[in-house]
Amino acid sequence: GAGVSQSPSNKVTEKGKDVELRCDPISGHTALYWYRQSLGQGLEFLIYFQGNSAPDKSGLPSDRFSAERTGGSVSTLTIQRTQQEDSAVYLCASSLGGQYTGELFFGEGSRLTVL
Amino acid sequence: AQSVTQLDSHVSVSEGTPVLLRCNYSSSYSPSLFWYVQHPNKGLQLLLKYTSAATLVKGINGFEAEFKKSETSFHLTKPSAHMSDAAEYFCVVSDRNGYNKLIFGAGTRLAVHP
Repeated sequence: GAGVSQSPSNKVTEKGKDVELRCDPISGHTALYWYRQSLGQGLEFLIYFQGNSAPDKSGLPSDRFSAERTGGSVSTLTIQRTQQEDSAVYLCASSLGGQYTGELFFGEGSRLTVL
Repeated sequence: AQSVTQLDSHVSVSEGTPVLLRCNYSSSYSPSLFWYVQHPNKGLQLLLKYTSAATLVKGINGFEAEFKKSETSFHLTKPSAHMSDAAEYFCVVSDRNGYNKLIFGAGTRLAVHP
């Protein structure tokens, strides 16, 4: 596709359930990011993938959060045993990397609501 | 460690008047700086970037920003606001020794009145 694609666009789940959020980056982009945007807040960095390097997981808020990127393309963010404070919009972004690393192309996000 | 502070959470201007959105940064290294815009119900879009070339950077839609090292600032300006400029604006810093973590400011919501 032409842009970064995220699914689902909306997810409502019950506290304690696991959820998976998917990101399909722009073809050829080697860098992929996950951010979280809570209501009225800025963007909180979660995790970063660059090519085949080990991901930077320093932003993951707890061990309930994990992410993987298969084949250097599609990424899945998994939240286990969801809590109400996990409710937010989860944004995925990709970039060409290298000198273009800061030029991110964002998806429209997955809005997660934990009841 | 890098950080960025957007000095105003809300800015309100009249259509046709100048826009000033303020941003101060802190970085251990020579920073790269960016402004992103988020229109309602739309994804974030890069507005402009500074990466050590000219200190006055021009972006899309008539916006520009000036990197001032002595003031550690990267304020966003536009000479004349348009109704379509109403959005949330984010100042972003990245240190060049480690691109891998862009730090976003809390955002400034710009309202434009007729």
